[in-house]
Formats: sequence, C-alpha cells, structure tokens
Amino acid sequence: EAGVAQSPRYKIIEKRQSVAFWCNPISGHATLYWYQQILGQGPKLLIQFQNNGVVDDSQLPKDRFSAERLKGVDSTLKIQPAKLEDSAVYLCASSRDRAEGQYFGPGTRLTVT
Amino acid sequence: EDKVVQSPLSLVVHEGDTVTLNCSYEVTNFRSLLWYKQEKKAPTFLFMLTSSGIEKKSGRLSSILDKKELFSILNITATQTGDSAIYLCAVASHNFNKFYFGSGTKLNVKP
Repeated sequence: EAGVAQSPRYKIIEKRQSVAFWCNPISGHATLYWYQQILGQGPKLLIQFQNNGVVDDSQLPKDRFSAERLKGVDSTLKIQPAKLEDSAVYLCASSRDRAEGQYFGPGTRLTVT
Repeated sequence: EDKVVQSPLSLVVHEGDTVTLNCSYEVTNFRSLLWYKQEKKAPTFLFMLTSSGIEKKSGRLSSILDKKELFSILNITATQTGDSAIYLCAVASHNFNKFYFGSGTKLNVKP
C-alpha cells in the first residue's frame, strides 16, 4: 500500500511570495489533514477534510492560508503572502476514518527568508 | 485553553533500560488519546486509547490512559537504539474534529 505522498519536499521562498503544497492521501482514506510543525513543537492542525468537505479549519490563518480538496482525493495548501513565521514543516496526513490513527506523509520543509 | 503537556522533554537512557513517558491533558470534549513516534520527519501511529485502565500493547511498547486524572503513559521496555525518536502525544476532541499535540519527548537510547 502506497503511503501519503507530498510535494515538494523542500521549498525556499522570500517573504510576501506565495507557495503551494500538494498531498495525495492513501487510497480509500476519506479524511485528510494538514498540519504545521514549527521546529521544537508538536504538529498543529490547520485543517481537516472529510471527503471534499471541511470538518474543521479553526486554526487556519484564513487571511493568508487556503486549502482545497475538490474531488475528495488529493489536496492543495496555499500560503499567500508568506511571512517569516510560516517557516515550518507542513505535514499532510490521512485516515480511513476520523476515529482511527493518522498516517503522515514525509512533509514539506518551508523556509521563508 | 486546550493543552497537552508531555514530560520529560528529553531523556537519555542505555540499551536495555525501561522508560516511561508521560502525557497530561486539559481538553474539552475528550474523545481519544493517541501516541506517535517521530523519526526524522513523519510521525508514525502507535496507539489510540479511548477507555480508562485498558492497556494497549505492541511488542515492547505499552500504554494506558487514566481519564479521571487526565493523563497517559507510554512504557518502552528493553530499549534499543532504534527506539531513539521523538514521541508525540495527541488528544482528539469534539467528535474527532480537533486534534491537539504535545511538544513531544525526545528519547535517546545509547548503545
């Protein structure tokens, strides 16, 4: 079974630029999550999708972050414009059901200069 | 404010030792507590605990939840160098709509 795929693995941008991350969950997993993990901290949930609907996006900074999962499979997370404090690893995870453990992708390390 | 606190922050042991990692939480509408192991980048799922007092076990790892005292422990017996990682505790709340992670315990197992 293929794992959660994410791209790119690394990205360096200047502040005020925009960036997009892509995630393809494990086949058949209805729930998809985006997390932000700042160095030395635990992951912070940004948004949770159930199929193509948003379950929770209460911690997503909506003035600059957006996410979509239009066909209920893969997902894109966008930051526009980026700030220095957005430097972090962005993790995508999926689960077959929300009441089960999550499977994480390798993450994208974003550096904003 | 919902929070998950893990202790200790870091731990150094020698192979063969037994370790206990702690996770306490203050989260409204608790549903489950989850443990993950993070090596390099991606956390990997270890356990999900929903009921108090029922131990979950996988090989040398075991975990138990106390919903009255709001904490969980993760035990690792006969540690190996491959157990070196950051162990993350997470709490699911509001019908699994929200997940809160602790900052993790960094375990270093020396040969």
